[in-house]
Amino acid sequence: DVKVTQSSRYLVKRTGEKVFLECVQDMDHENMFWYRQDPGLGLRLIYFSYDVKMKEKGDIPEGYSVSREKKERFSLILESASTNQTSMYLCASSLGGSGLIHEQYFGPGTRLTVT
Amino acid sequence: KQEVTQIPAALSVPEGENLVLNCSFTDSAIYNLQWFRQDPGKGLTSLLLIQSSQREQTSGRLNASLDKSSGRSTLYIAASQPGDSATYLCAVSRGNFGNEKLTFGTGTRLTIIP
Repeated sequence: DVKVTQSSRYLVKRTGEKVFLECVQDMDHENMFWYRQDPGLGLRLIYFSYDVKMKEKGDIPEGYSVSREKKERFSLILESASTNQTSMYLCASSLGGSGLIHEQYFGPGTRLTVT
Repeated sequence: KQEVTQIPAALSVPEGENLVLNCSFTDSAIYNLQWFRQDPGKGLTSLLLIQSSQREQTSGRLNASLDKSSGRSTLYIAASQPGDSATYLCAVSRGNFGNEKLTFGTGTRLTIIP
């Protein structure tokens, strides 16, 4: 089974702090994703990576950056946390490959509260 | 811009009934459509993936259909059980490489009444 793990289930940070959310997958997937989920807005894509050191902006990248130094690990960075970044953050991965169709597998999520 | 809508937002049905969840999307140029289940406070579990060339997929008591021309998908759940209670999300794929980005609906919260 594909396993996607996230470093924390719950996280509380103060405004202005630099925050790191870590995601690891164990199935040698090419693609990795970061989403945030908010009531009434659904899941929205923040960033996407299709290979090591490669990244692409999603729909709402402002205030976030990402890092992918190893294939299995994809980090989401909040450079200076703000209260409007309080949300559930979900990481996902998929096998990848142009023209191929693959399911996305999700981690358990990190509920981040910024006070 | 692709928009995905799921109506109703919430649904309660007695145990044992068959039910249909709806998903509609505005841009028919999709690569695939995926149905997910999400339990409260948890991540998403993939249920079914329908490729754009397919019309339906089945897994156990679940059957998902896709009509690209009308921009609609349905998830049929047969003989519902209390364990089916969850939020069900549909998502359509897009992206430069063809299939990697998903646009999600806001979900239907399903409650099965014992």
